[in-house]
Amino acid sequence: EAQVTQNPRYLITVTGKKLTVTCSQNMNHEYMSWYRQDPGLGLRQIYYSMNVEVTDKGDVPEGYKVSRKEKRNFPLILESPSPNQTSLYFCASSLSSGSLYIQYFGAGTRLSVL
Amino acid sequence: GIQVEQSPPDLILQEGANSTLRCNFSDSVNNLQWFHQNPWGQLINLFYIPSGTKQNGRLSATTVATERYSLLYISSSQTTDSGVYFCAVERTAAGNKLTFGGGTRVLVKP
Repeated sequence: EAQVTQNPRYLITVTGKKLTVTCSQNMNHEYMSWYRQDPGLGLRQIYYSMNVEVTDKGDVPEGYKVSRKEKRNFPLILESPSPNQTSLYFCASSLSSGSLYIQYFGAGTRLSVL
Repeated sequence: GIQVEQSPPDLILQEGANSTLRCNFSDSVNNLQWFHQNPWGQLINLFYIPSGTKQNGRLSATTVATERYSLLYISSSQTTDSGVYFCAVERTAAGNKLTFGGGTRVLVKP
């Protein structure tokens, strides 16, 4: 089954404790992206990747890191999480960059930073 | 950046009713998708519809790109249709970033 898989689905952590949210897709998609969803602010892009070893900042990259060492994986790293990073996070992928391709979303990761 | 506005913000329906959700956008777009976010937070693709009309079961969507709006129709609504419906658009060469509207929260009562 074609899908975008995020782990964990739920995470409670404390300020400053490094964490990684994994994202994997099995569709051989070139493009992957991370979004966060916050009440009143909607979904905003954090980082995106056009292909392996090619990443760039989205609208709200501060406090996050990403890497794209393999085509299928695009982990989101919070080196020193803070309470303002409490949010619902989504990973997305599409076949390629450009406007012709549907973006598929993972099930989401609900993160609470205490 | 591009603005995406959805209306109405909230909608309460009796089971079996029909409804229309609207998405207006402020500039020309090359990609438009409709999503349903279920009560568990999952985002489900409904339609990829940069222009034209599509139907999938009880749902259909129409995008009039030249007039910068899209409509999502829900017919014979069911309680499982409850959730938030998002419209998202993408402009050319914008890092494949989808810009989301604020959503329409739908509650279908039995």
